[in-house]
Amino acid sequence: GQNIDQPTEMTATEGAIVQINCTYQTSGFNGLFWYQQHAGEAPTFLSYNVLDGLEEKGRFSSFLSRSKGYSYLLLKELQMKDSASYLCAVRDSNYQLIWGAGTKLIIKP
Amino acid sequence: GAVVSQHPSWVICKSGTSVKIECRSLDFQATTMFWYRQFPKQSLMLMATSNEGSKATYEQGVEKDKFLINHASLTLSTLTVTSAHPEDSSFYICSASFGGAKGNTEAFFGQGTRLTVV
Repeated sequence: GQNIDQPTEMTATEGAIVQINCTYQTSGFNGLFWYQQHAGEAPTFLSYNVLDGLEEKGRFSSFLSRSKGYSYLLLKELQMKDSASYLCAVRDSNYQLIWGAGTKLIIKP
Repeated sequence: GAVVSQHPSWVICKSGTSVKIECRSLDFQATTMFWYRQFPKQSLMLMATSNEGSKATYEQGVEKDKFLINHASLTLSTLTVTSAHPEDSSFYICSASFGGAKGNTEAFFGQGTRLTVV
């Protein structure tokens, strides 16, 4: 079956750096997405990786290794507003988005 | 980025009644829209894929007669929860992307609808 794993919850300090990992086993691969979701709201797009390597976008970066079925989202200079759930999603061979359960990130002052 | 508008943002209804949720792509044509359901502290679960002008494709375990999906135009898809029961209470989210089902861009999400059945 298809499976995406990411930690359930992480805690970090304001101003620090945090890395959220995601491993996947899917039937085919057509890209990996990271989304941010605040409680009670719809997800918002953060990043997209389809080739191996690092994609940087401001304070957020996302890395992909297709051979390892692994990605991470790196958040720098953490702010209180970054407290949210971070969802990893993989587009499979049928172009369906397969979602991870999300990682709840708690930022402490 | 592209805008997807979902309405209503929240609704409370009595058990046994039906509720319609609208999803509109405001500045692009979406040949395919997706409907998700999310229970508290759980991930997004795909319910169905809505194709303009044809019948929706439902995921296994989703009752097509209970969750009616209509994609009448390239900018509007609706989800009707018929004869709603308390266990249908959930957060319903629609999304759309460019290029239909095989678009390789990110999915744009509506604001979500919080349905509470009492």
